[in-house]
Amino acid sequence: NAGVTQTPKFQVLKTGQSMTLQCAQDMNHEYMSWYRQDPGMGLRLIHYSVGAGITDQGEVPNGYNVSRSTTEDFPLRLLSAAPSQTSVYFCATYKFPGVRAYEQYFGPGTRLTVT
Amino acid sequence: AQSVTQLDSQVPVFEEAPVELRCNYSSSVSVYLFWYVQYPNQGLQLLLKYLSGSTLVKGINGFEAEFNKSQTSFHLRKPSVHISDTAEYFCAVSEETSGSRLTFGEGTQLTVNP
Repeated sequence: NAGVTQTPKFQVLKTGQSMTLQCAQDMNHEYMSWYRQDPGMGLRLIHYSVGAGITDQGEVPNGYNVSRSTTEDFPLRLLSAAPSQTSVYFCATYKFPGVRAYEQYFGPGTRLTVT
Repeated sequence: AQSVTQLDSQVPVFEEAPVELRCNYSSSVSVYLFWYVQYPNQGLQLLLKYLSGSTLVKGINGFEAEFNKSQTSFHLRKPSVHISDTAEYFCAVSEETSGSRLTFGEGTQLTVNP
């Protein structure tokens, strides 16, 4: 099992460009989330999904779009990149209910720089 | 809404010494509590969690944490650290009614020196 995979690992964008960060999981988890990590701020929730076709906003959703057409994939779209979106982005999944309820499994991250 | 405060941004210790990483939280409802560890250039992995039951929770790699409801704290401890424990540690909380919405603290960098 690959677990949670994210592509690309690194990306440099110019201000105003758009792109999609990919996240895929083979764990058959219903729940998927996107976080951004900035120095001294921990991780902040951008968007999350509780199942295919269902998404909701987190703490910092502005400038980002998501959709969930399958259980496996949860792409994050940057509509018009800004330097403030320079960050490390993590995708995470978890299953509920069960012994492992609420235990989030994180991907390796995508390091994005916007110039 | 909930919030998390990690009281130390950096904790340097010597190998084989005990360590405590402090975490306080704020919430108006019942919560679930977590500690995650992040090694350099990697994603996060779960150390331990508290959902209910015994307030002393044991996790991987010899770590444990104690939930104190009256003090709204969830401090992480290890009796004897190794060089390999050097990493960033994050405390996180979610409300019981919304396990999806994790709120993280700012992180504590633990550095174990020989």
